[in-house]
Parts: sequence; C-alpha cells; structure tokens
Amino acid sequence: GAVVSQHPSWVICKSGTSVKIECRSLDFQATTMFWYRQFPKQSLMLMATSNEGSKATYEQGVEKDKFLINHASLTLSTLTVTSAHPEDSSFYICSARLGLAGYNEQFFGPGTRLTVL
Amino acid sequence: GQNIDQPTEMTATEGAIVQINCTYQTSGFNGLFWYQQHAGEAPTFLSYNVLDGLEEKGRFSSFLSRSKGYSYLLLKELQMKDSASYLCAVIMEYGNKLVFGAGTILRVKS
Repeated sequence: GAVVSQHPSWVICKSGTSVKIECRSLDFQATTMFWYRQFPKQSLMLMATSNEGSKATYEQGVEKDKFLINHASLTLSTLTVTSAHPEDSSFYICSARLGLAGYNEQFFGPGTRLTVL
Repeated sequence: GQNIDQPTEMTATEGAIVQINCTYQTSGFNGLFWYQQHAGEAPTFLSYNVLDGLEEKGRFSSFLSRSKGYSYLLLKELQMKDSASYLCAVIMEYGNKLVFGAGTILRVKS
C-alpha cells in the first residue's frame, strides 16, 4: 500500500520556539494532505486540509498564524508550530490522499509526538 | 454539527467475537471508514463501506446501513493483539476530510 512518512517522530522543545514537522508521501503523489492533532485518550481532530500549490483550509478554532502549513510539492507538506507553548504538546498526524478519481482512502503517517517544556 | 457516536470501551475474551457499533448524523455522506489505532501509533486502515451491506476481510467485517446512519465492525477469533482503539470515521464529500468518532477502546483478555 501507499506509504506516508513523518519527520521527526518525536520532538521536545522549549516554550516560545518553533517546530517544523514534515509529511511525505513516499511512493505516490498526494494532491491533498490532512493534518490532525490527537490529545491523550481522545480521537483525531482535523486541523487543516493542505492542497498542493494553494493555501491550506483550516478548521474552525485552529489559528492559521500559529500552525503554518506549506504544501510545496505533490509529495511534501510541512506543519510549523510557531511560538510553541505547553498546551501545544500533542500527537500530530498527517494523512495523504491519492489523487485518483473514485479513490477516497487516506493513508496516515506514523505521527509526531511534540512535547513543549 | 456532525455527530459520530461509538461506545467508549469494550472488553472481550480471546477467541470470541465482538461487534463495535457506530452511529452517525452528518450533513453529507460519501463513505465510512474503520481504523485501528494502537497507543502512540497512527491509525491503520481496516475497512471502507460506501454501499449498504457487509464487507468481509479475513477476521474483520464491516456493515453499513445508510438509511439508519449505522455501521458496525465485527472482529472474529479475537487475539490479544487486537487490543487497541477502533475509530469510526465518515467522509462527507468525495475526496474531502474525514470526521472521526471518539474511538472505542477494545480490551481483549485471556
């Protein structure tokens, strides 16, 4: 099946710093990538939808100036958490969708665990 | 808003059969997914239903009734490794975002 990677798999940073997370589709081109956040013992919450070459669409309540998303190519999307604070500590997961007509499935990356001290 | 309901937790015995239900009320519907997620890992795809009926795949089966806004995931011959969280997710428009339920934590005991 299609493979999605994320880097880094975990990161610890100081409050106030920025952290960049990469999401790559390794063996397919992804016209659309999605970024989710998951707090402990909760389900995945969609943060934004990222389309190659255009601005991301953010979900209600997600600050676009704090969570910067760039989808510069069909295989790479990045999420930058700017001026991170302890409440941003979470598990961040990306997914990618094949750009095929009639194909709805999303493939998930392994996730990035962010801890802000 | 969108509403997807699943039981919070279930416990079953190794070798048994368990059914995890999911009901949904969404403004659109283009299919329903079931994912398995182990603690600290990303979700892995189990099944996708867009038409009414039962889809069988090995020990896992998934059923959908669009008229009732209802789905279930059936796990047979339970193994200890099946202990995980099971997420029901609806895709409301083709190619669009997934809306997840809160997940059902399944504990398999020996």
